[in-house]
Amino acid sequence: DSGVTQTPKHLITATGQRVTLRCSPRSGDLSVYWYQQSLDQGLQFLIQYYNGEERAKGNILERFSAQQFPDLHSELNLSSLELGDSALYFCASSVSAGNTIYFGEGSWLTVV
Amino acid sequence: TQLLEQSPQFLSIQEGENLTVYCNSSSVFSSLQWYRQEPGEGPVLLVTVVTGGEVKKLKRLTFQFGDARKDSSLHITAAQPGDTGLYLCAGERANTGFQKLVFGTGTRLLVSP
Repeated sequence: DSGVTQTPKHLITATGQRVTLRCSPRSGDLSVYWYQQSLDQGLQFLIQYYNGEERAKGNILERFSAQQFPDLHSELNLSSLELGDSALYFCASSVSAGNTIYFGEGSWLTVV
Repeated sequence: TQLLEQSPQFLSIQEGENLTVYCNSSSVFSSLQWYRQEPGEGPVLLVTVVTGGEVKKLKRLTFQFGDARKDSSLHITAAQPGDTGLYLCAGERANTGFQKLVFGTGTRLLVSP
């Protein structure tokens, strides 16, 4: 158990819909990262927050957005979903950038 | 564009065999990490190498960072079924911090009893 909690673990939704994935970082960790893992693209960095502020952006689509709240939990919002968005979405956390990153168990999203 | 290519993509061996997984890139990385991911779980950090030519050992696992910091290898001696999993290398580009780790394509290892 990494200490990073993600919900829901599994989600099935239709194309065009919107979903929210939630993440609680390890106690004391200020940085939260979101990654997408798919069979064809591997593990791709999406976005990072540090203490509520966006710090780095990766290959995140405009249809996706994220935020980190004052209590440090984070949400990843995925809208206008397409079949190709089906993937495993990981949240990870660390004390700060440059420290070891701990991954959650992921949220499986299936778009049908 | 995948910056880090791993080979082989899939490896199925018997318990007790040795194996080596390679992670190659044309880019230079300031550090490189190796992770293992088991089904239903997120990647777990095994090791970080930061110096060109560096060798680190973790029990039966030996990690090496290339002299030019463009490639790395993972060698497992006397593999055990518990070593089964997806092995991922991840490189940190210079001056970007760990938050922009670039992950490799992955090597799926199956060790049979």
